[in-house]
Amino acid sequence: DTGVSQNPRHKITKRGQNVTFRCDPISEHNRLYWYRQTLGQGPEFLTYFQNEAQLEKSRLLSDRFSAERPKGSFSTLEIQRTEQGDSAMYLCAVAGELFFGEGSRLTVL
Amino acid sequence: AQSVSQHNHHVILSEAASLELGCNYSYGGTVNLFWYVQYPGQHLQLLLKYFSGDPLVKGIKGFEAEFIKSKFSFNLRKPSVQWSDTAEYFCAVFSGNTGKLIFGQGTTLQVKP
Repeated sequence: DTGVSQNPRHKITKRGQNVTFRCDPISEHNRLYWYRQTLGQGPEFLTYFQNEAQLEKSRLLSDRFSAERPKGSFSTLEIQRTEQGDSAMYLCAVAGELFFGEGSRLTVL
Repeated sequence: AQSVSQHNHHVILSEAASLELGCNYSYGGTVNLFWYVQYPGQHLQLLLKYFSGDPLVKGIKGFEAEFIKSKFSFNLRKPSVQWSDTAEYFCAVFSGNTGKLIFGQGTTLQVKP
């Protein structure tokens, strides 16, 4: 039990398509984080929320990326006009010590 | 800017050998320190954490780490590794000021049976 459920687990899409990932914390947590991990690298911070407020966005997050947490519970990460460089594992985490979900793997063809 | 450096990118050990993985961070304020492990094909799992108090912290599966504030280090140790410890290990630093966890680039540990 990771404390976080992420869907879909794997998404294969063609370049230029939009994709959306969802993160559902199993219990209430004020803070929710999104990270991206590519093969052989450590997770890179993308953005985080304090309840429904998005407090910080990494410079890694281009304008094609948008994240929301409308009710302070689940969160979505949308990537518009996907590029091959977006292929990665997208991780959601909650709480101060960050329990990570199993991730959503994106493959852009 | 906050950063984390893991010196060993790839470590190969035989079973029963002792392990020490280096981790140094750069941040002057109060930090919380973590080691995560990622087994092949699996998600990140927390091995151990340091928030305050005894700088020698013990985690799961016989791992421990020592926080040395003067050296900005948080090295991971295990006296005797097993084949099942083959995985990627990530050191991470959380700053309350920035509100985010920053990871090192990871160390791949391969334990030969």
